[in-house]
Amino acid sequence: AQTVTQSQPEMSVQEAETVTLSCTYDTSENNYYLFWYKQPPSRQMILVIRQEAYKQQNATENRFSVNFQKAAKSFSLKISDSQLGDTAMYFCAFIPDSNYQLIWGAGTKLIIKP
Amino acid sequence: SQTIHQWPATLVQPVGSPLSLECTVEGTSNPNLYWYRQAAGRGLQLLFYSVGIGQISSEVPQNLSASRPQDRQFILSSKKLLLSDSGFYLCAWSGTLNYGYTFGSGTRLTVV
Repeated sequence: AQTVTQSQPEMSVQEAETVTLSCTYDTSENNYYLFWYKQPPSRQMILVIRQEAYKQQNATENRFSVNFQKAAKSFSLKISDSQLGDTAMYFCAFIPDSNYQLIWGAGTKLIIKP
Repeated sequence: SQTIHQWPATLVQPVGSPLSLECTVEGTSNPNLYWYRQAAGRGLQLLFYSVGIGQISSEVPQNLSASRPQDRQFILSSKKLLLSDSGFYLCAWSGTLNYGYTFGSGTRLTVV
């Protein structure tokens, strides 16, 4: 079975700190695509960052970066200089190359404190 | 550019009434389309997906149905709503896999 595990149900950090959200996944496929989505209180689901499994270089989008360890099947998200607007649920997910369905984690609730 | 529209944003319906939620995509052709439901503070549950007009796959047996009458239109329906149908419904589309899904703004449904 293909699964995503987010082991941190909730995290809380001070504004301007750096925080890392963990994600591990399980798949027998060699090629797939990994994503982090953010869902703020408005509940709009927003793509934060994406990574192709065949690329070794870790993706970066402004203050957001990932640590992708393919052998360990790990895909953590680092948020630098955290801001109040980063408060949200964060979901890790992947799509195997063999189909088009996103496999989701249960989410991590991130709270940025002023 | 591609956009996805979902409406209504909020809906309060009595038990036993019908439901119709609509989702349309602009700026792309032959998208894969999805309906998700999310309970408060929980993850996403895939309800239906469609890879083409008239092609609907159901993931969870329930009181809901979906239709795709046009290439970029996806409709979620129910003939008689149950209290348990309350939740937050999200429509999404996907094209090439490496870009993931793009979501609509969601519909908050409360069945009373």
